[in-house]
Amino acid sequence: DAKTTQPNSMESNEEEPVHLPCNHSTISGTDYIHWYRQLPSQGPEYVIHGLTSNVNNRMASLAIAEDRKSSTLILHRATLRDAAVYYCILPRGGSQGNLIFGKGTKLSVKP
Amino acid sequence: DGGITQSPKYLFRKEGQNVTLSCEQNLNHDAMYWYRQDPGQGLRLIYYSQIVNDFQKGDIAEGYSVSREKKESFPLTVTSAQKNPTAFYLCATKRGQGYAEAFFGQGTRLTVV
Repeated sequence: DAKTTQPNSMESNEEEPVHLPCNHSTISGTDYIHWYRQLPSQGPEYVIHGLTSNVNNRMASLAIAEDRKSSTLILHRATLRDAAVYYCILPRGGSQGNLIFGKGTKLSVKP
Repeated sequence: DGGITQSPKYLFRKEGQNVTLSCEQNLNHDAMYWYRQDPGQGLRLIYYSQIVNDFQKGDIAEGYSVSREKKESFPLTVTSAQKNPTAFYLCATKRGQGYAEAFFGQGTRLTVV
């Protein structure tokens, strides 16, 4: 299985952009990069996913390196409600595979 | 409202007892999953099912059992063979195995007393 590496924790100030990095140097050509987040005492929620091109949605942007060995989840203006654990995931077995969660990055947002 | 319902939210079990956690969905999704989460850790896959009457073991299936008799329901039984059952259990669904977005329930926190 391709593995991902994320920092254990990050801090941000409210209303500032946040860049959450993820390294996946063993990614294969067909692996999609998925991001989920988990608020305290809740189930994870889908944030975004992509293959090669940068992706945007209402929650965040995903910037994927040209060699696809790393990616960055961008929250354009952090709010207190964005404080959560963010998981970068490469589904096992390709795009149709199961989601296997690592420890993720715990994001703290300061007012 | 469409969604995933896990019940109960909190569950206490005595050692040596089996207990069943409920997961019901009205999203009409084919794929369903059970995960376990320990404090400060990520989620680990217990079992998954891509279609009714079929399911596969995940990474930590020992001590657990499931059934998938209906599309809407995927109950998880934690048996007495599970040595450390105290954990947060999460059920998830996807429209199908090939879809990207998974939807999670609110979880059941199981404590062995």
